[in-house]
Amino acid sequence: EAEVAQSPRYKITEKSQAVAFWCDPISGHATLYWYRQILGQGPELLVQFQDESVVDDSQLPKDRFSAERLKGVDSTLKIQPAELGDSAMYLCASSSRLSLAGGTDTQYFGPGTRLTVL
Amino acid sequence: KQEVTQIPAALSVPEGENLVLNCSFTDSAIYNLQWFRQDPGKGLTSLLLIQSSQREQTSGRLNASLDKSSGRSTLYIAASQPGDSATYLCAVQGGGNKLTFGTGTQLKVEL
Repeated sequence: EAEVAQSPRYKITEKSQAVAFWCDPISGHATLYWYRQILGQGPELLVQFQDESVVDDSQLPKDRFSAERLKGVDSTLKIQPAELGDSAMYLCASSSRLSLAGGTDTQYFGPGTRLTVL
Repeated sequence: KQEVTQIPAALSVPEGENLVLNCSFTDSAIYNLQWFRQDPGKGLTSLLLIQSSQREQTSGRLNASLDKSSGRSTLYIAASQPGDSATYLCAVQGGGNKLTFGTGTQLKVEL
């Protein structure tokens, strides 16, 4: 069964350092999502791509976070510099299509990257 | 802005008990509602998806209902087992495929 792949699974870094996370969606899925989940809370959407274009990055802290999906397949999320409050699980998800009018397209989630900032 | 609330935040039950998890949302203009399971330190697994036009969905021992007009959903788990121990998250889908999640219910099923 096809799955969303993420790496690394765990990352420990010191504040002010740069970190990067990688996501490979299910083959053929045009829409890719990055979520952040703080311990004890539900995931919150950071950025959403349709192919290589950003559809929604309204919740992405753009002063330190960046995301790209250059060829419309895999994606990288970067944080520079990392802060203590960035410690969280970073989840990637993909779905087969985007319906701007809404729809019923299931999002499939990867295992996540657990980030700890010291 | 859509807000999703889940009650209770945590629940501990003996094995074999039937239980209900609750989810409420503030904006009824949704396209669907999903229930997810999350094991500690892991990603999310989709359990059930209810379209806005549907009232309920069933999968094995799980049954989810949706009352869109009142902004409520319930997840019913029959004959609970220790393997059901996990955090259960509900999420509503609005325009653009955007999911808004609740904070989850942490379930522990004891032997």
